[in-house]
Amino acid sequence: AQKITQTQPGMFVQEKEAVTLDCTYDTSDPSYGLFWYKQPSSGEMIFLIYQGSYDQQNATEGRYSLNFQKARKSANLVISASQLGDSAMYFCAMRERNSGGSNYKLTFGKGTLLTVNP
Amino acid sequence: DTGVSQNPRHKITKRGQNVTFRCDPISEHNRLYWYRQTLGQGPEFLTYFQNEAQLEKSRLLSDRFSAERPKGSFSTLEIQRTEQGDSAMYLCASSFTSGDLGETQYFGPGTRLLVL
Repeated sequence: AQKITQTQPGMFVQEKEAVTLDCTYDTSDPSYGLFWYKQPSSGEMIFLIYQGSYDQQNATEGRYSLNFQKARKSANLVISASQLGDSAMYFCAMRERNSGGSNYKLTFGKGTLLTVNP
Repeated sequence: DTGVSQNPRHKITKRGQNVTFRCDPISEHNRLYWYRQTLGQGPEFLTYFQNEAQLEKSRLLSDRFSAERPKGSFSTLEIQRTEQGDSAMYLCASSFTSGDLGETQYFGPGTRLLVL
């Protein structure tokens, strides 16, 4: 089974509008962390935001916020006031406390390609 | 503060040749990771170092792949007898041990390999 599912291969948004990118995850580990990364066409993965499984509040970082619904195992990324420079691939990733004895590696989804239209 | 750097950025090689990639992590980071990303997929974990010790290798890392981090600073990833299926983006990331799940991995720009 997929550990991270991103069901939207592509999304379009108008400049200055908000957009939500979906991410659902699968784990039986009570301790885990969820990350979102942005990958422009240049290839570099840029860290955006982090949410811990025990965090009581949704994470926010500037125009990025994470809509964390633990019971539904979803961690959607919300980008407010979209800018042309937000056009990129966006990846959701998870780190589990007890993934085969190691808690270091990230497991990524397949990503969502966001296009911001002027 | 410089980020993670990787060289070369692009590599084209013929099947059967050996290739080596280099990663220079953020200077104070003691953990270093290699991932592989194929077209239309997210990165997949290959291997991980803490200082100079290689602590984990994915089953994706066949015996044609070897990674080193000799002095706990830069790392190299070598692929011997390359195959067309090795064509991918090879990403390096580094982090500083914080002991919690929120420890963030910072990625380099990647090396894009094409095997002809």
